[in-house]
Amino acid sequence: SQTIHQWPATLVQPVGSPLSLECTVEGTSNPNLYWYRQAAGRGLQLLFYSVGIGQISSEVPQNLSASRPQDRQFILSSKKLLLSDSGFYLCAWSQFGGYTGELFFGEGSRLTVL
Amino acid sequence: GIQVEQSPPDLILQEGANSTLRCNFSDSVNNLQWFHQNPWGQLINLFYIPSGTKQNGRLSATTVATERYSLLYISSSQTTDSGVYFCADFNSGGSNYKLTFGKGTLLTVNP
Repeated sequence: SQTIHQWPATLVQPVGSPLSLECTVEGTSNPNLYWYRQAAGRGLQLLFYSVGIGQISSEVPQNLSASRPQDRQFILSSKKLLLSDSGFYLCAWSQFGGYTGELFFGEGSRLTVL
Repeated sequence: GIQVEQSPPDLILQEGANSTLRCNFSDSVNNLQWFHQNPWGQLINLFYIPSGTKQNGRLSATTVATERYSLLYISSSQTTDSGVYFCADFNSGGSNYKLTFGKGTLLTVNP
């Protein structure tokens, strides 16, 4: 069966510090991978998605970036965090193909920027 | 892109009560899913239901794709049902890789 894990689960970072959140999927190959952010107030915002190694699409201009160095690994990064980057970050995967298939989420990473 | 509207935004129930949550879409429904976000933040898949009706225990869902809405029924609610319920669907007319979420229904079930 397929599983998705992301880490760290919780982190507190000072403004201006770097960020690296990692997500891995097991039990499938060539998945679509996604990073979502949930700020206070519930809404889920798509940040990045990837349909293959090295292929990243950005949805919202910001100081975050994403990379996919391996088929089942997705990394969210920042060189310098802003206060507004605080939130709950969720990694997700779906079966490659796009038109059909369920989206499955990791456990989430709660980021507080002070 | 597609617009997803959920109602009600907030719902408070007594344990044992039934409820219906609704999701309306501005465009054709392609790949509808219902999720439950528990108090720890984890998003749990409830239903993948592009059309028709599915049931899983006390929960069931119905999607009427031609009329662009979906309903989630919770019967005999329990305190563990508390949390936020989201519906989501793929954008149509643009990238088919992006799932667009409604703003959620916050359900509180009191003992």
